[in-house]
Amino acid sequence: SQQGEEDPQALSIQEGENATMNCSYKTSINNLQWYRQNSGRGLVHLILIRSNEREKHSGRLRVTLDTSKKSSSLLITASRAADTASYFCATDALSSGNTGKLIFGQGTTLQVKP
Amino acid sequence: DGGITQSPKYLFRKEGQNVTLSCEQNLNHDAMYWYRQDPGQGLRLIYYSQIVNDFQKGDIAEGYSVSREKKESFPLTVTSAQKNPTAFYLCASRARGTSANEKLFFGSGTQLSVL
Repeated sequence: SQQGEEDPQALSIQEGENATMNCSYKTSINNLQWYRQNSGRGLVHLILIRSNEREKHSGRLRVTLDTSKKSSSLLITASRAADTASYFCATDALSSGNTGKLIFGQGTTLQVKP
Repeated sequence: DGGITQSPKYLFRKEGQNVTLSCEQNLNHDAMYWYRQDPGQGLRLIYYSQIVNDFQKGDIAEGYSVSREKKESFPLTVTSAQKNPTAFYLCASRARGTSANEKLFFGSGTQLSVL
């Protein structure tokens, strides 16, 4: 029941440029979260946006949510080589109640060239 | 240092063998989760537990088993019934569900391969 679809699958940019990743999902949600994964490591939580929010900022991260289109985007501004990683969106579906079960997208692999 | 510890980092399974992956957390979290990640893919939920002595199947539970005898520990056994076990396994935990505690904390993963 994978419900998140992300695009692009891979993104390669120069240091200092902005990176935008998109996520689409299928059912109604409580919230949508973005995680980062360095190669061969666990995931690290970046930012959470609730279903009644439209935009959220955290440092160089900006997340938008459009519940009418069931989509979200993650913008990383002024990228650095250290931002090279895979980024996943994850949805907390309304139907899951308060179980904390998240449904993850396929991820976007970001490469930032120095 | 609070966190989630998974061991071993690498594990090899022989044909017909059961293997157990360890997951321990000292975050005092009630809920724990096991996810499977295949190369280039997202995470799929295997099992989850919201409280000690209780657990529920996720989307791909067949061929796996878990126990939750202690709050801190949520081991995953990959049984011989799982015919394609090669994957990266991730354990996660979360504090008791409130609006302030919705994010997951992940361990560093176990890579399981078949010999």
